Amino acid sequence: KQEVTQIPAALSVPEGENLVLNCSFTDSAIYNLQWFRQDPGKGLTSLLLIQSSQREQTSGRLNASLDKSSGRSTLYIAASQPGDSATYLCAASTGNQFYFGTGTSLTVIP
Amino acid sequence: GAGVSQTPSNKVTEKGKYVELRCDPISGHTALYWYRQSLGQGPEFLIYFQGTGAADDSGLPNDRFFAVRPEGSVSTLKIQRTERGDSAMYLCASSPRPADTEAFFGQGTRLTVV
Repeated sequence: KQEVTQIPAALSVPEGENLVLNCSFTDSAIYNLQWFRQDPGKGLTSLLLIQSSQREQTSGRLNASLDKSSGRSTLYIAASQPGDSATYLCAASTGNQFYFGTGTSLTVIP
Repeated sequence: GAGVSQTPSNKVTEKGKYVELRCDPISGHTALYWYRQSLGQGPEFLIYFQGTGAADDSGLPNDRFFAVRPEGSVSTLKIQRTERGDSAMYLCASSPRPADTEAFFGQGTRLTVV
């Protein structure tokens, strides 16, 4: 069974810092990897999707990378803002379902 | 619609009662997923529909849980004889086709069993 781990579980940074969130998965046979943002008590907002054949995707201040062979993905957030405070989840797709990590709770301090 | 819609947004029910949770996917999306998320945890898979049929229901915890998608669009998750342990956020997602496309999630239904 696919196991997804996210490190760190929580992160607090001052506004303006660049930061990296880590995601690892045990089964490299994935179709894609998706990063989501979740605000307290809310649903998931899709941030970036990386297909298995891709190495990275960028959207604004966000950049996600994927290394299938090592079972790792990273989400890089540049010039963090207080509005970036949320929980970030990664999910690996193996066909019929997405396997989620437990998330990284990010706090950006003004 | 513009996005995945889930109703109700909140549901409080008494232990032992029956509940239905509704999901309206994005128009044209053939793949539909149900997930359950407990506080502080990542979402856990319940069931996946491709069209009208349940292609994978391996995540349903027991036979009190059932889901349907009769016309290949709207889906209903049904929980019989609810237990306090069923309290969680229930999330629905849809995608244009399975496996290799972006999944879009709704805002969820917060179920509380008292």
